[in-house]
Amino acid sequence: SYELTQPPSVSVSPGQTAYITCSGDKLGDKSASWYQQKPGQSPVLVIYQTNMRPSGIPERFSGSYSGNTATLTISGTQAMDEADYYCQAWDSSTAGYVFGTGTKVTVL
Amino acid sequence: EVQLAESGGGLVQPGGSLRLSCAASGFTVSTNYMTWVRQAPGKGLEWVSIIFSDNNRYYADSVKGRFIISRDSSKNSLYLQMNSLRVEDTAVYYCARVSAGDSAMSYWGQGILVTVSS
Repeated sequence: SYELTQPPSVSVSPGQTAYITCSGDKLGDKSASWYQQKPGQSPVLVIYQTNMRPSGIPERFSGSYSGNTATLTISGTQAMDEADYYCQAWDSSTAGYVFGTGTKVTVL
Repeated sequence: EVQLAESGGGLVQPGGSLRLSCAASGFTVSTNYMTWVRQAPGKGLEWVSIIFSDNNRYYADSVKGRFIISRDSSKNSLYLQMNSLRVEDTAVYYCARVSAGDSAMSYWGQGILVTVSS
């Protein structure tokens, strides 16, 4: 089955840049999305089509891709950005969605 | 305004059945892609099932043959019939609307807890 791998945790100081990676076989052939989930809340879409930002999502959130890895970048990280982040892609070979393992971002 | 509201969760014994509902407003369920995602306590997100606007349906291997996704145009609602429930199906279940052009889950409900326990 298809898998997307993320680092379990990322720590960042306020105002600094956080990088969250998502690796998967031939991920570049797929359209990756990123979700933010705060404790007790539903996930929120923050990036779609690898590097597109929905309306209402701050500009400090951006996405990129290189090789088999998609990256969510949070520039000028704020305390409110502390949350779990999940990447996601559609796997056409199995006709199903796959979520990454999730990354807990801590703002120290 | 797009809104999704799940209902129908609760406590059920292993082997039992439960039907979740997701009432939608602000858009038409039948002309959109709709999906269910679950999250076991303290765990990550797991995709469960999707129904496309052409009525094609797909399931995760973990629920295939036990869960059925459906919709009712007259009620503008999405459903998940869950049969032969197992302890490992215990989770918060979310319904979400999928953007057809980019496969992203753009709107989510608040989630509903399903507990499978004897």
